[in-house]
Amino acid sequence: AQSVTQLGSHVSVSEGALVLLRCNYSSSVPPYLFWYVQYPNQGLQLLLKYTTGATLVKGINGFEAEFKKSETSFHLTKPSAHMSDAAEYFCAVSEKGGRALTFGSGTRLQVQP
Amino acid sequence: SQTIHQWPATLVQPVGSPLSLECTVEGTSNPNLYWYRQAAGRGLQLLFYSVGIGQISSEVPQNLSASRPQDRQFILSSKKLLLSDSGFYLCAWSVNGLGSYEQYFGPGTRLTVT
Repeated sequence: AQSVTQLGSHVSVSEGALVLLRCNYSSSVPPYLFWYVQYPNQGLQLLLKYTTGATLVKGINGFEAEFKKSETSFHLTKPSAHMSDAAEYFCAVSEKGGRALTFGSGTRLQVQP
Repeated sequence: SQTIHQWPATLVQPVGSPLSLECTVEGTSNPNLYWYRQAAGRGLQLLFYSVGIGQISSEVPQNLSASRPQDRQFILSSKKLLLSDSGFYLCAWSVNGLGSYEQYFGPGTRLTVT
């Protein structure tokens, strides 16, 4: 069975600082990996995804994530935080050939002025 | 382009009353459809998914049910709501078949059971 662990339910950074949100997964087969963002009272928006190929993937709003098989990690980063990045972020995993996504419990990002 | 709609946006219902939440997808055919619940301060819990008309899989036992009367319509129902049914309900779709299986989410319905 697959699972996702997001370390840190709350992360606070200053505007302009590096954003690092951690995600580790467990999967019996090579996974597809996703990061989603959720703004208050809205649905989830896909930020980026890893399927195959290049392990460093770039997404929207300046975010990127790196798939590290040896560490079973898919951490999300952004070089410089903006106030508009304040939201909740979810990491998700899907096993190839499967239909359902398994989500982590989420990390709430707070950006201080 | 594809769009996904949910209604109502917000709903306040008394305990024991029935529930019907609707989700429709435009711009694609034969999608996989999903219902999730997000309780306050918690992650997403998959409730149901459907790979075709009349084909529903339930992920957790509960007093909720789902139906798919048309290809791009997914309905979440309950005959009698419980306080624990309060939460944010999200519908999602994905491509059916070979693909990267990312899911696209609707705007959600905020349900408060009083």
